[in-house]
Amino acid sequence: ETGVTQTPRHLVMGMTNKKSLKCEQHLGHNAMYWYKQSAKKPLELMFVYSLEERVENNSVPSRFSPECPNSSHLFLHLHTLQPEDSALYLCASSQDRQSSYNSPLHFGNGTRLTVT
Amino acid sequence: DQQVKQNSPSLSVQEGRISILNCDYTNSMFDYFLWYKKYPAEGPTFLISISSIKDKNEDGRFTVFLNKSAKHLSLHIVPSQPGDSAVYFCAASANFGNEKLTFGTGTRLTIIP
Repeated sequence: ETGVTQTPRHLVMGMTNKKSLKCEQHLGHNAMYWYKQSAKKPLELMFVYSLEERVENNSVPSRFSPECPNSSHLFLHLHTLQPEDSALYLCASSQDRQSSYNSPLHFGNGTRLTVT
Repeated sequence: DQQVKQNSPSLSVQEGRISILNCDYTNSMFDYFLWYKKYPAEGPTFLISISSIKDKNEDGRFTVFLNKSAKHLSLHIVPSQPGDSAVYFCAASANFGNEKLTFGTGTRLTIIP
């Protein structure tokens, strides 16, 4: 398998549920990212990991909890979400977090999350 | 306040003609610009980029133009093909950084056969 793989593709959860999104990259990249895409809004960066260390947290509510156990895997743990958290969650990776010049982002196909 | 703006949510172009997608930015610190293409049910894929030291970059049918004084860039696709129908996102970064990449809201391009 090549590229960036996200599971599940679709997720419906209640506000009291706990669920996790999974991302795996097969590109040998050193940096991984979580983005959120809401309807008619730009992609919003949520978290950045470089060499398994979190380097960016864009004021994301604590009900979103990332985990990066190794350079190939990234999780987003979800609990007590709100209906406004319904969105497309995209995982991405790049060779180097500091240079988009020679290392553009490679995205997964996303998880479409609906919070009821 | 959106720092990268794509003011046209959608665009329809006849097959074989030129498609021109526009993007405006407000942050003068941006020095690197990228275009991503997204098909339904797929993630965005990198298409073409340009750094602020250039005003044009060409890759096959795709050309990106940068006008720094106007803080404007455009993506030209010629000739347009049905497979080009997708949503196109403009993105910009300062100091070439991936973690500070700022995206626009996208333009949906439809190529009419």
